[in-house]
This record gives sequence, C-alpha cells and structure tokens, in this order.
Amino acid sequence: DAGVIQSPRHEVTEMGQEVTLRCKPISGHDYLFWYRQTMMRGLELLIYFNNNVPIDDSGMPEDRFSAKMPNASFSNLKIQPSEPRDSAVYFCASSRRGIEQYFGPGTRLTVT
Amino acid sequence: AQTVTQSQPEMSVQEAETVTLSCTYDTSESDYYLFWYKQPPSRQMILVIRQEAYKQQNATENRFSVNFQKAAKSFSLKISDSQLGDAAMYFCAYRRGSNFGNEKLTFGTGTRLTIIP
Repeated sequence: DAGVIQSPRHEVTEMGQEVTLRCKPISGHDYLFWYRQTMMRGLELLIYFNNNVPIDDSGMPEDRFSAKMPNASFSNLKIQPSEPRDSAVYFCASSRRGIEQYFGPGTRLTVT
Repeated sequence: AQTVTQSQPEMSVQEAETVTLSCTYDTSESDYYLFWYKQPPSRQMILVIRQEAYKQQNATENRFSVNFQKAAKSFSLKISDSQLGDAAMYFCAYRRGSNFGNEKLTFGTGTRLTIIP
C-alpha cells in the first residue's frame, strides 16, 4: 500500500509569494495532521482534521497560514504571503482512529 | 500541559551492541499512549514502536523494545544488535487517551544516534 504522499518534496520561493503544499493520506485513514519541523522549535502540530473537518488549528502560526481538506484523499496547506521564517520541513501524517500516525516524506520549504 | 523530555541529545554505539535511549514525560492522565519515531537522514518519520499506558507488558518489535515505567513516567527504547541502518534521530512522543479530541502528539527534542562500524 502507498504511504502518505506529499508534494513537492522541495520548494524554493521568494518572500511574498504564495506557497501550496499538498498531501494525499493513506487510503482509509480518517485523520490528517500537518506538522512543521525546525531546528529551533522541533516538531510542531499546525492543524489536524477528522473526516475532512478541522478539529484543532491552534498551532497555525498566523493568518498567513491556511489548510483545507476538500475530500478524504487530499489536503493542502497554503502560506500567503510567505516569509523567510516560514522556512522549515512540513510534514503531513495520517491515522486511522487517531492513534498511530504515519508520516509522509515531508516538504522542505525555503523562502528567500 | 504534557511535556516529553529526552535528556540525551546524542548517543553512539558500536555496531552489534545494545543501546538505550531515555525518555521521560509529565502527565496527570492515566490513559495515554507513548511512541518512538525514527528519523533517518532521508528525514522520513518512521513509527518504531507504541505502548499503551494500561498495558503492563513492555512492547517489543524485533530488535526494538521499551522499558515502560509508569510510576516513574519513564519510557526508554532499547535497540539490540545495532545496525548501521539504525543511525537516525529518535523522537519520543506522547498522546493522551483514546477519546476524541486527544489525537495531538507531543514530541521530545530527539536523540541523535550514531552507529560506529
């Protein structure tokens, strides 16, 4: 079975540009999580969904960040406008019943 | 709030030897889950092992086992017969019980494990 799929794997963009990160969860999983990993702050949960509905977005840093899950097979995380401090690795993870989480390979975002 | 502490930023072990990575956590809950994740240089986060707090028996997955001490709030990972492929960052993580709304994982800061050939 395919694992969690994320695209792109790497993204380099200029400050002020819109960035869209994409995630396809494991089929049959009903939870989807977005994390950010930096050296300074480690792994942080940004937002998570259950059955496509956002449950907790308290980790979203500010209004520049938004996430949607239009169906069970897809989610995206948008940053508009992007800033250099948004540079990080962004992970998507999915879970069945919300206990064990399986992570995608991550997207390394660099904002110059 | 729950916290997870990994006090060993770096560890090293000779290939084929055994190494133990430490993790402590702070919680007032009685129902929770604990996990170890591995992050190799490829940066993929890989679930290694899981422990339910209500289970007294320590979890085991092949060469990986845990020492779960509930009263001491300690959850260490033992890797036996270390292999070069075990070189990675290891994260301990905590999740509150299985009720809806408790799905958030709290991660420790990680331990970087080096395998010496």
